[in-house]
Amino acid sequence: DILVTQSPSSLSASLGDRVTITCQASQDTSHFLNWFQQKPGKAPKLLISDASKLEMGVPSRFIGSGSGTHFTLTISSLQPEDIATYYCQQYDTLPITFGQGTRLEI
Amino acid sequence: QITLKESGPTLVQPTQTLTLTCAFSGFSLRTTGAGVSWFRQSPGKAPEWLALIYWDDDKRYKSSLKTRLTITKDTSKDQVLLTMTDMDPVDSATYYCAHRRQGFGELFDQWGQGTLVTVSS
Repeated sequence: DILVTQSPSSLSASLGDRVTITCQASQDTSHFLNWFQQKPGKAPKLLISDASKLEMGVPSRFIGSGSGTHFTLTISSLQPEDIATYYCQQYDTLPITFGQGTRLEI
Repeated sequence: QITLKESGPTLVQPTQTLTLTCAFSGFSLRTTGAGVSWFRQSPGKAPEWLALIYWDDDKRYKSSLKTRLTITKDTSKDQVLLTMTDMDPVDSATYYCAHRRQGFGELFDQWGQGTLVTVSS
């Protein structure tokens, strides 16, 4: 199984801050990496697919980058509605595997 | 618009078999490339992929749970079922089904709201 290591596990930032979350895969996943946002009591919501493709309706302040084994999610200017837990997920190889999550607080 | 909704028992006794239903709309499992996966998520943990069924009835399972899981589809009802045998309290979680985006590999883009399952006597 591909191990996905996500950091940090929690992050406290201020409104307007630039926030970066990273994921490291244990083997090359090419560009087959997604970023999900999850709010309490809700299902995970796909924000970015294919490492860098913004899903329809997702604000442009969310930016995904990377390929191979190293990926980042950047929120360019943190907004109150961005409070959530973020997960990266590789889908290059079954089983699909997730990072441990980053809990973002203001 | 693609929607999925999970249903099933909220409480299951240890050793019992769990059967969950995913009712979906906005796509068909008769369409080449279509698929549905099941995931679960324990409180405070990351989601975990469990099983996948494709339009052609091919199936994939998480290897560590393979002996306990069965995924099936009913295309006439637009439903996918997941059964998990020999339930244990560690299987308590919210279970989600999700839609496979055709032509993008194992990309599951739309998720149901989830159904919470508690395993307890």
